[in-house]
Parts: sequence; structure tokens; C-alpha cells
Amino acid sequence: GAVVSQHPSWVICKSGTSVKIECRSLDFQATTMFWYRQFPKQSLMLMATSNEGSKATYEQGVEKDKFLINHASLTLSTLTVTSAHPEDSSFYICVAGGKNEQFFGPGTRLTVL
Amino acid sequence: AQTVTQSQPEMSVQEAETVTLSCTYDTSESDYYLFWYKQPPSRQMILVIRQEAYKQQNATENRFSVNFQKAAKSFSLKISDSQLGDAAMYFCALRLTGGGNKLTFGTGTQLKVEL
Repeated sequence: GAVVSQHPSWVICKSGTSVKIECRSLDFQATTMFWYRQFPKQSLMLMATSNEGSKATYEQGVEKDKFLINHASLTLSTLTVTSAHPEDSSFYICVAGGKNEQFFGPGTRLTVL
Repeated sequence: AQTVTQSQPEMSVQEAETVTLSCTYDTSESDYYLFWYKQPPSRQMILVIRQEAYKQQNATENRFSVNFQKAAKSFSLKISDSQLGDAAMYFCALRLTGGGNKLTFGTGTQLKVEL
């Protein structure tokens, strides 16, 4: 399958700061990127869907001004957690979607102190 | 809206034995895909098996097979000859053919494999 990378793999930040997470599809063009959040021992919850060159579509209850998503190219999407707080600590996973397949990134563990 | 339910938070199986993980789902759509994903401690999601709803034949991938009952909206995963490396969290997921291709996940089943 295709390779999707995320950077960083883990990050620790202070409360009130912003953190950017990159998701790259290394060997295919991802027309759609999905961002999921997974709390410990819980399921994956979709946060937003982004299509290249257009604004992201956020799921109900997800603050679009707090979780900024940019999908500037077919191989790169970024998630920026603005003014992070401890309750934002979680595991963030991107999924890159082609025409019929979807490929998971390895995830980014965010810890907000 | 779609829902996926996994009623078994934890399951245990002896090495070399067979175990079945349950999954039920609900959707009003007729065209969709169902998946089983494995999430080991590394947390990298791994696709185990995929089933297209229009196919009556149950999907099989080596030691992994599914029992897909469309009318009952049931999609169980059978793992044969269980190995220590099968120990992981398993998620059942549904994806509509249209509607943006987003995945809806169940709550997961933690599988333990015992010697």
C-alpha cells in the first residue's frame, strides 16, 4: 500500500501555544485527507475532511477556529492546534484518500502541559 | 448517520485456537464497504480485511475471514490459528461508497493471545 507520513510523531507543548502537524502522502496523490483524533483506549473520531485546494469540512462539535486544516497540495495536509490546552492532548491520525483506497499515517501524539 | 457497534471490549484466545470478533452496523445506504483494522501497541492502523457490500461471498485473507450477513447488518471477523502477533486492538469500520468516503469506526475489541 501507499506510504503516509506524519511529522512530528510526538510533541509536548505548553498550554496556550500552537502546534502544527504535517501529513504527507509519499507515493500517491491524495485528493482527500481525513483527520481523526483518538483518546486513550477509545475509538477514532473524525474531526474533519479536507480536499486539495478547498476548505475543510468539520464534523459537528469540532471547532474549526481551533483546529486549522490546510490541504495545499495533493501530497500535504497540515493540522494546526491553536492555543492548545491539556484537553487537546490526544493521538491525531491522518488518513490519505485516493480514488478507492485510504491509507493511514502513523499518528502524532500530542501532550499539552 | 451511520453507526458501528462492537459489543466485546475484550477477548482472549489461546495460541493456535480460533476466535471470532463481533461487529454490527447500521446504515440506510445499500452501497458501502466494511473493514476490519488492527491497531497494535505502535498505534499504526493496519488493514486486515475488506468487504464490499454488493459481494455475497465472504472475504478471506489467509487466517482472517469474515462472516458478512447483510440483512442482519452483521460483520464478524474470524481469526484462525491465532498467533501472539495477533494481539492488538481491532476496529470494525464502515465507509459509504458516496458521501465523502469517511470511515465510521466501532469502539474496538482488545484481543489478547495467551500461550
